[in-house]
Amino acid sequence: DVKVTQSSRYLVKRTGEKVFLECVQDMDHENMFWYRQDPGLGLRLIYFSYDVKMKEKGDIPEGYSVSREKKERFSLILESASTNQTSMYLCASSAPPKGINIQYFGAGTRLSVL
Amino acid sequence: ELKVEQNPLFLSMQEGKNYTIYCNYSTTSDRLYWYRQDPGKSLESLFVLLSNGAVKQEGRLMASLDTKARLSTLHITAAVHDLSATYFCAVDRGGSNYKLTFGKGTLLTVNP
Repeated sequence: DVKVTQSSRYLVKRTGEKVFLECVQDMDHENMFWYRQDPGLGLRLIYFSYDVKMKEKGDIPEGYSVSREKKERFSLILESASTNQTSMYLCASSAPPKGINIQYFGAGTRLSVL
Repeated sequence: ELKVEQNPLFLSMQEGKNYTIYCNYSTTSDRLYWYRQDPGKSLESLFVLLSNGAVKQEGRLMASLDTKARLSTLHITAAVHDLSATYFCAVDRGGSNYKLTFGKGTLLTVNP
């Protein structure tokens, strides 16, 4: 079974802090994703990586950056956390065979910025 | 820009009843995915629909895809409490970037 592990289930940080959210997958997947999930808004893509050191902005990248130094690990960085970044953050990975693009999700990190 | 609309967003139903969740999307795509999320947990893949007319069934859930109408349905037959969850559809944006656009989700509550 595919396993996507997010390092923290709950985080509480202060405004202005630098925050790191870590995600590790154990299936040698090329693609990794960071989403945020907010009530009434569904899942929105923050950043996407399709290979080591390769990244692409998603739909809402402002205030975030990412790092992928190793294939199995994808980090989301909040350079200076703000209260409007309080949310549930979900990491996913995929390695699509032709035509099939199932994304496998981690358990999520609930971040509160005070 | 691809838009994905689900309705209803909230669905409260009695055990034993049937109902359908609808997923409309705005641009051409022939790949659609359904996910389930239990409270406090992550998303789990339910169905993968890869062509026009595709139908998949598992237990009391059946999903179908009409690419010409840009519509997918998730039909629930004889609902049971264990089906209570949030259901998301997601549409492949196409090309080689493997991105999905998710609907806002349908919160299903099945009451005894």
